[in-house]
Amino acid sequence: EDQVTQSPEALRLQEGESSSLNCSYTVSGLRGLFWYRQDPGKGPEFLFTLYSAGEEKEKERLKATLTKKESFLHITAPKPEDSATYLCAVRDYGGSQGNLIFGKGTKLSVKP
Amino acid sequence: NAGVMQNPRHLVRRRGQEARLRCSPMKGHSHVYWYRQLPEEGLKFMVYLQKENIIDESGMPKERFSAEFPKEGPSILRIQQVVRGDSAAYFCASSGDRGSYNEQFFGPGTRLTVL
Repeated sequence: EDQVTQSPEALRLQEGESSSLNCSYTVSGLRGLFWYRQDPGKGPEFLFTLYSAGEEKEKERLKATLTKKESFLHITAPKPEDSATYLCAVRDYGGSQGNLIFGKGTKLSVKP
Repeated sequence: NAGVMQNPRHLVRRRGQEARLRCSPMKGHSHVYWYRQLPEEGLKFMVYLQKENIIDESGMPKERFSAEFPKEGPSILRIQQVVRGDSAAYFCASSGDRGSYNEQFFGPGTRLTVL
């Protein structure tokens, strides 16, 4: 069964304290790994798509990397406005068409 | 605003009533997906539609739930005879002409409360 596990469930950082969020996945064949950011009361906001091991994408203070079993979202020198829940999702070749399989997310809090 | 639109944003229904949730995809997008998010749970896929066609409804409960995406107008997720367990946030996403190979962009969601 396809599975996506994110860790930690919650992470508290001081402003400027860099860290990483983890997303482990089990799929029959990866057809894309997606990172989203979700603020309270809002819909997920698309951040990155990764397709193959070794691929990296960057946006401002965020950098996403991918291996054959997991993905990391690195946050460099975070600011309070980076506080949100970060969601990881995968699309599987062996799964049904179109749907994304989501993890439960990592809730990030950045204190000034 | 060219983003995915959903309405209503909040919906309150009593047990046994019907709930209708609407989703207008991003301009130029012809693929729509519905997800449900329960408290403390991740987003769960429900159904994938293109204009006038249901492509994949493997995540949709067999009873009381239905979805459509007509030739004209928004996609509709309909829940008949709602129960308290249907209380959740329902999100719609859309993608472009490459279909399931494109990123999915989400709307703000409809928060359904069943009394």
